[in-house]
Amino acid sequence: TQLLEQSPQFLSIQEGENLTVYCNSSSVFSSLQWYRQEPGEGPVLLVTVVTGGEVKKLKRLTFQFGDARKDSSLHITAAQPGDTGLYLCAGFSGAGSYQLTFGKGTKLSVIP
Amino acid sequence: DAMVIQNPRYQVTQFGKPVTLSCSQTLNHNVMYWYQQKSSQAPKLLFHYYDKDFNNEADTPDNFQSRRPNTSFCFLDIRSPGLGDAAMYLCATSRGLEFYEQYFGPGTRLTVT
Repeated sequence: TQLLEQSPQFLSIQEGENLTVYCNSSSVFSSLQWYRQEPGEGPVLLVTVVTGGEVKKLKRLTFQFGDARKDSSLHITAAQPGDTGLYLCAGFSGAGSYQLTFGKGTKLSVIP
Repeated sequence: DAMVIQNPRYQVTQFGKPVTLSCSQTLNHNVMYWYQQKSSQAPKLLFHYYDKDFNNEADTPDNFQSRRPNTSFCFLDIRSPGLGDAAMYLCATSRGLEFYEQYFGPGTRLTVT
């Protein structure tokens, strides 16, 4: 069973602070996706990383895929209340894999 | 905008009373998925359709069924809901099975009384 461990599980910060959340596995993933889910809504896809060492930026969000494709991180600069939500990482483990493996998520609260 | 739509957003049903949740998509994707998500947990895949081919996950209870009458629509039928079936039900679509990004609908929150 492929597992994705996310940390921290909960994070509460003040508006304007920076933060990093992590997604780790002992297994190699062919790609990793990051989603943000707001209460009562479905997950919204933020980014997909495919290549080891890849870095992608989405405004104040920076996503990195580990060189060995076993881990990923999401860094938010100058967090805003609109960033509040559950951040989920999910990945495909390899050839023939159609099922997304999800982490349990990091619940972020940004306090104005 | 192309999107995944779920109706209703909130559904209340009685213990044992059949209920149907619906999903439609304008993305023209080949694959449609149903997930169950309970509070503070990751989404759990119930089944998926690749075109008309149905694939049930091994641990999905028989109480859960699905229909896909055409490319755009997919339904989740819960034949006899129990209290443990109260959850958010998420529909997702993707262009293909392996490595393709999945796009989620807003979900249906099911309450069982």
